[in-house]
Amino acid sequence: GNSVTQMEGPVTLSEEAFLTINCTYTATGYPSLFWYVQYPGEGLQLLLKATKADDKGSNKGFEATYRKETTSFHLEKGSVQVSDSAVYFCALRLNAGGTSYGKLTFGQGTILTVHP
Amino acid sequence: EAGVTQSPTHLIKTRGQQATLRCSPISGHTSVYWYQQALGLGLQFLLWYDEGEERNRGNFPPRFSGRQFPNYSSELNVNALELEDSALYLCASSSAGTGGNEQFFGPGTRLTVL
Repeated sequence: GNSVTQMEGPVTLSEEAFLTINCTYTATGYPSLFWYVQYPGEGLQLLLKATKADDKGSNKGFEATYRKETTSFHLEKGSVQVSDSAVYFCALRLNAGGTSYGKLTFGQGTILTVHP
Repeated sequence: EAGVTQSPTHLIKTRGQQATLRCSPISGHTSVYWYQQALGLGLQFLLWYDEGEERNRGNFPPRFSGRQFPNYSSELNVNALELEDSALYLCASSSAGTGGNEQFFGPGTRLTVL
């Protein structure tokens, strides 16, 4: 089946530190990959996406590259801010039919806390 | 442009009752998805509706059901509520069901079963 594995959290960083949240996936087809962010008390917001191998998604200083050879989509940011404190979810969605078609399969989420 | 809206924000029920949750997609979106976010269990896919039809269903019992109306809004019904149904229920919409189109999420309905 399809699955997403994220690094264990929580992650605690000081402001301006470098962030990496690891994400690896298993998929029976060719997925699109996503990072979503959930701020306290809110729903999910799409942070970035990549739809094919070697694509790089980027937004608000965050980046992730779709690596087919390592089945990974690690999230990085060069300098985090206190406002980046949230829960981050890696997700995949198959691009073709089958029983998994259409739905997002999420990792377990990584809690990020950034201190001033 | 208005985002995905959900109602109610909070819902408190007792075991055995029925709950109805509602979702209005972004204007122009035809697909609606439901997810359950239970504490410690992450986000689990429940249902996908597109153009009024159920397209896919997650691994949930039949007492979880729903429908999509002609205006593309959707309703999730949970019958015979159990304590473990307590969760945040998130609705999302997209412009079509294909893989690369992002799903936009609403703020969720917090269901508490006592």
